[in-house]
Amino acid sequence: EPEVTQTPSHQVTQMGQEVILRCVPISNHLYFYWYRQILGQKVEFLVSFYNNEISEKSEIFDDQFSVERPDGSNFTLKIRSTKLEDSAMYFCASTPRGGATYEQYFGPGTRLTVT
Amino acid sequence: GDSVTQMEGPVTLSEEAFLTINCTYTATGYPSLFWYVQYPGEGLQLLLKATKADDKGSNKGFEATYRKETTSFHLEKGSVQVSDSAVYFCALSDGGATNKLIFGTGTLLAVQP
Repeated sequence: EPEVTQTPSHQVTQMGQEVILRCVPISNHLYFYWYRQILGQKVEFLVSFYNNEISEKSEIFDDQFSVERPDGSNFTLKIRSTKLEDSAMYFCASTPRGGATYEQYFGPGTRLTVT
Repeated sequence: GDSVTQMEGPVTLSEEAFLTINCTYTATGYPSLFWYVQYPGEGLQLLLKATKADDKGSNKGFEATYRKETTSFHLEKGSVQVSDSAVYFCALSDGGATNKLIFGTGTLLAVQP
């Protein structure tokens, strides 16, 4: 069964450094998402991406964040200058098409630790 | 804005006990409702969903009914197993252009043999 993959599974970085989190969505899916989950808190929406552009972003997704689909298979989240409060589990998700009835398929997540 | 509230955990049950995890929502439109499960060390998996009022979602012995009058989507299972131990997230999709998911805080279920 097709699945969403994410790399790395765990990333440790120093405050102020740039990080890129990578995701490979399911191949025929058209909508892509990033969510994050700070330890012990709820899963929060960061950004959605469709047709090679951001379709919606949350207040969390400020100028330090960017997303890209560089090659038609990967979907990346970049944090330009990490802060301690960026430490969280980051989940990528994809869905085949729009519409509230369609399931979002989640990857296993990347745990980002900022020291 | 739209939001989801679910009961706080942890919920600790003995095997074969009845499970209820409460979930209520606030939404301006007509959302779809979901339960996702997160097993230890894994990502989120869809457990069940309901897309309109009075729909019942079911999977692996779990059920939830979309109740518009009480804005609720409570998760139930008649007899839990140790393997059901996980974190359960209630979520809604607002049906907007991007269908982003809005999650509750998650409820940790621990089932003891």
